Amino acid sequence: DAGVTQSPTHLIKTRGQHVTLRCSPISGHKSVSWYQQVLGQGPQFIFQYYEKEERGRGNFPDRFSARQFPNYSSELNVNALLLGDSALYLCASSLWESYSNQPQHFGDGTRLSIL
Amino acid sequence: AQKITQTQPGMFVQEKEAVTLDCTYDTSDQSYGLFWYKQPSSGEMIFLIYQGSYDEQNATEGRYSLNFQKARKSANLVISASQLGDSAMYFCAMRGSTDSWGKLQFGAGTQVVVTP
Repeated sequence: DAGVTQSPTHLIKTRGQHVTLRCSPISGHKSVSWYQQVLGQGPQFIFQYYEKEERGRGNFPDRFSARQFPNYSSELNVNALLLGDSALYLCASSLWESYSNQPQHFGDGTRLSIL
Repeated sequence: AQKITQTQPGMFVQEKEAVTLDCTYDTSDQSYGLFWYKQPSSGEMIFLIYQGSYDEQNATEGRYSLNFQKARKSANLVISASQLGDSAMYFCAMRGSTDSWGKLQFGAGTQVVVTP
């Protein structure tokens, strides 16, 4: 079975531009979470979506937005890019929305570089 | 607010030896889950092991075991018989019951280097 897939793998943008990152969860997984991992740090939670609804939001500015589609894939959008947005963006999917021992399974991430 | 602390930024371990990675957490939630992930230099996060706050027995998964001490709020990962392929960054993470179910709070990580 295919794991979590993210695209693109790498991306280079300039300040002020907009970017869209894509994620396809593991088949059957309905929950998708997005994380930002700055070099040398642990991942920071950005959003969770379940059944196309936002179920959680981390401490990120409104420049960050996301959505989930009927097939449970998801997009993360970042507007007005700043140098500090340079990071590895990770998408994770899980089987259940409610609290359980089901782990989140991560994709390989999108490395975003802002020039 | 939840917090995960990993105090060891880096460790060297010889092949075939065991290594313990420290993790302490802080939460006011009664119910929570603790996870360990491995991140090789290629970037993907690989799930290793899970411990629930109400689990009475320490979790084990192959060469990985979790030393869970609830009163001390610690959840240390033990890797037995280290292999060269174990060289990676290791993250401890927590999911609480009052926050978004899809939110994992990660520590800063511990870099493990296994030497021959």
